[in-house]
Amino acid sequence: GAVVSQHPSRVICKSGTSVKIECRSLDFQATTMFWYRQFPKQSLMLMATSNEGSKATYEQGVEKDKFLINHASLTLSTLTVTSAHPEDSSFYICSGARGDTQYFGPGTRLTVL
Amino acid sequence: AQRVTQPEKLLSVFKGAPVELKCNYSYSGSPELFWYVQYSRQRLQLLLRHISRESIKGFTADLNKGETSFHLKKPFAQEEDSAMYYCALSHGSSNTGKLIFGQGTTLQVKP
Repeated sequence: GAVVSQHPSRVICKSGTSVKIECRSLDFQATTMFWYRQFPKQSLMLMATSNEGSKATYEQGVEKDKFLINHASLTLSTLTVTSAHPEDSSFYICSGARGDTQYFGPGTRLTVL
Repeated sequence: AQRVTQPEKLLSVFKGAPVELKCNYSYSGSPELFWYVQYSRQRLQLLLRHISRESIKGFTADLNKGETSFHLKKPFAQEEDSAMYYCALSHGSSNTGKLIFGQGTTLQVKP
């Protein structure tokens, strides 16, 4: 199968600091990766589409300067939450596309104090 | 605007009963629809997609363009089917397009 990992699985940080979340495709190359956000008991909301070697495409309402995405290789995309605030606390999930299927990571729980 | 609606937050049935998880969509083009499942403490995984017209774990879903629906059905629910189910719509012609998810329905199958 195709496996996507995320690191860390959970992180707690202070308000005003930056946090980096990694998304890796372990056994396949993902030209495209997606970043989602999920609030408690709510659905997944697409934040951005990450394409290897090019700038990410952000969904309407998502601040690109706050949520920095880098997709430097075919197996790694990173999401950096800059100057985090308590309202950024959420569950962040990535997926990697292989063929016509998206494979999801286990998610990262971010808590900003 | 593209939208996926799952009207039920929770569906509770007894083992052996039929199950139907509702999904309606709004999309101007020709949609590609999927059902994803998330078991407790596990990651989201693809259950089935409408283009493949296959049955996975006894579940089927038929795209009804007239009613803009893609309901998920299983004739006899099992306890291991208890999970969160998401209906999703893809922009474009493949799953590598952006996915729009419904709100999700928790299926609880009681013994």
